[in-house]
This record gives sequence, C-alpha cells and structure tokens, in this order.
Amino acid sequence: DAGITQSPRHKVTETGTPVTLRCHQTENHRYMYWYRQDPGHGLRLIHYSYGVKDTDKGEVSDGYSVSRSKTEDFLLTLESATSSQTSVYFCAISEGGQGAVQPQHFGDGTRLSIL
Amino acid sequence: KQEVTQIPAALSVPEGENLVLNCSFTDSAIYNLQWFRQDPGKGLTSLLLIQSSQREQTSGRLNASLDKSSGRSTLYIAASQPGDSATYLCAGDDNYGQNFVFGPGTRLSVLP
Repeated sequence: DAGITQSPRHKVTETGTPVTLRCHQTENHRYMYWYRQDPGHGLRLIHYSYGVKDTDKGEVSDGYSVSRSKTEDFLLTLESATSSQTSVYFCAISEGGQGAVQPQHFGDGTRLSIL
Repeated sequence: KQEVTQIPAALSVPEGENLVLNCSFTDSAIYNLQWFRQDPGKGLTSLLLIQSSQREQTSGRLNASLDKSSGRSTLYIAASQPGDSATYLCAGDDNYGQNFVFGPGTRLSVLP
C-alpha cells in the first residue's frame, strides 16, 4: 500500500470551530489531493497541490483552505466548520500530473462530524 | 458540467461468473480514465488507469476499455470471486490530470 496517513481518522466537533485535517505521505509524490465523499454526490475534489506551496481549487473549494509547506504534508483547514461539511474526507497522491497522468493512491479517510 | 453514470448501481452474482460494469460521461472528451475499488470504511484502491494515448488496460482478471467517441468505459471482471465484492468507481479527467470526476459506483456482491 502507498504510504499515506490521514489524521485524525475520526473527529466530532461543533459548528463554528476551526478544524485541520492532515495528510502525510512517505512516497515523495509531487501531487496531492483532498476529496470529500458524500452519499448521492460521490467523490468531489476540494483542493489539490502540484508542489510545495503550489495549490489550486477543485469543484467544491468554498469554505476550505489548504497548505503544503513540505512535500510530505498537505493540510486541509475548515476555518469555521458548518454542518454541511460533515463528510468523509480522503487524501490522495499521485506521481504524475499534466501530460503524464499516473494512478492516484488514496488514504483511508477521515470521518468528520460537525454538530 | 461533467457528470458520470455507472450502471448497474448494484449487482449480485454467483462466484465464477464473468461480468461487465459500465461507466458513461456526459462530455465524451475524456483523456484519462481510472477504475477503482472501495471496500467498506476504506479508501479507494487503483485498479487500472487508461492514459490519453491508450484505449484499453488489463491486469490479471480485469480488463478496462474506453471508447472516446462515446465517452463510455467498461470494466470486465473474469471468473469473479467473493473477494471481488466491493464498490467499483470510475473517474475521468480532461487531460490535465488534476480534476478527475468520479462516478457514484457500482456495488458488487459475489456470492460463494
């Protein structure tokens, strides 16, 4: 299995609180992604990174921010969590990108509940 | 906006059967396509990647093909086994490789 660790694996918090999810990889892959998975919507891309300090928005980026200060870590932050952000969050990594797509490898997910 | 349909939504078969899962995109301009499996409570596992210059990929008992003229892909599983039971998802992108759009998945049960 690809070396991807998501933390925490489960979190329950209250509306309005800040939340940060961490994705750590040991594969030295350039590309990292954050997705959310919801019943009826499938997986949707939140943000992705194509290098240290290089990030871009995905389909559902509103209410989320990301940071990548090191190759191995990609952080997803909910500045002020809302109940609509209750979801399962997945991190993925990939060696290749534009013009040289490679398979994406996923972490085991973080189950986030916002009350 | 690209949308993905996977048919059937669920499938239950006896062990040993050959089966086909289908995936279709509203916009046929798909350059790269991935098939994944997801076990309950787990992340996605990459099965096959069809890159922009390819039309088909095979791995063991799995074969995936992509018809770019119609925006349809099929995943063929030969001689199914109970261990194949999982949800299978397809995902396609627009050539930049960053924005894969995922289908809702097909939930497969292979009965012993």
